[in-house]
Amino acid sequence: EDQVTQSPEALRLQEGESSSLNCSYTVSGLRGLFWYRQDPGKGPEFLFTLYSAGEEKEKERLKATLTKKESFLHITAPKPEDSATYLCALNTGTASKLTFGTGTRLQVTL
Amino acid sequence: DGGITQSPKYLFRKEGQNVTLSCEQNLNHDAMYWYRQDPGQGLRLIYYSQIVNDFQKGDIAEGYSVSREKKESFPLTVTSAQKNPTAFYLCASSITHTGGNQPQHFGDGTRLSIL
Repeated sequence: EDQVTQSPEALRLQEGESSSLNCSYTVSGLRGLFWYRQDPGKGPEFLFTLYSAGEEKEKERLKATLTKKESFLHITAPKPEDSATYLCALNTGTASKLTFGTGTRLQVTL
Repeated sequence: DGGITQSPKYLFRKEGQNVTLSCEQNLNHDAMYWYRQDPGQGLRLIYYSQIVNDFQKGDIAEGYSVSREKKESFPLTVTSAQKNPTAFYLCASSITHTGGNQPQHFGDGTRLSIL
């Protein structure tokens, strides 16, 4: 059975304090790994898709990387507006079905 | 603006009642999905539809039903058979169902509670 585990469950950073979120997985065949951001009471907002080990994607203060067993979401010099829950999801088959992790709740304080 | 619209934002269900959650998209996407989100759990797939007039059960379809009569619309009915319906329901769509590497885009959800 495909599994996705995100860590830590919650992370509190001070503004400017860089860190990384982890998404580890055990799957039979990875067809895509997706990162989303979710604000309270809202739907997930798409951030990145990664397809193969060694791939990296960047957007503003966020950088996503992928290995054969895990993905990292690096947050450089975060700001309070980066506070949200970050979700990782995998597609391992047809029909674009996704398996989601439980998320990392990030809080960035002044 | 293109996007996915879910309504209502909040919904209350009485015991023994069926309720229907609306999901409309104007992105011209072929595939649509319904997820349920509970505290401390990842999103779980209820139903998905790859094309009009066709849909498949996801991981937790019991107590739910859907229809896909139009490309733009994918309503979800929570029936009285669903004994624990209180949750945040999310609708999503993607350009196509093929390839497995198309991102899904989400609406802003409907929060369903039991009276």
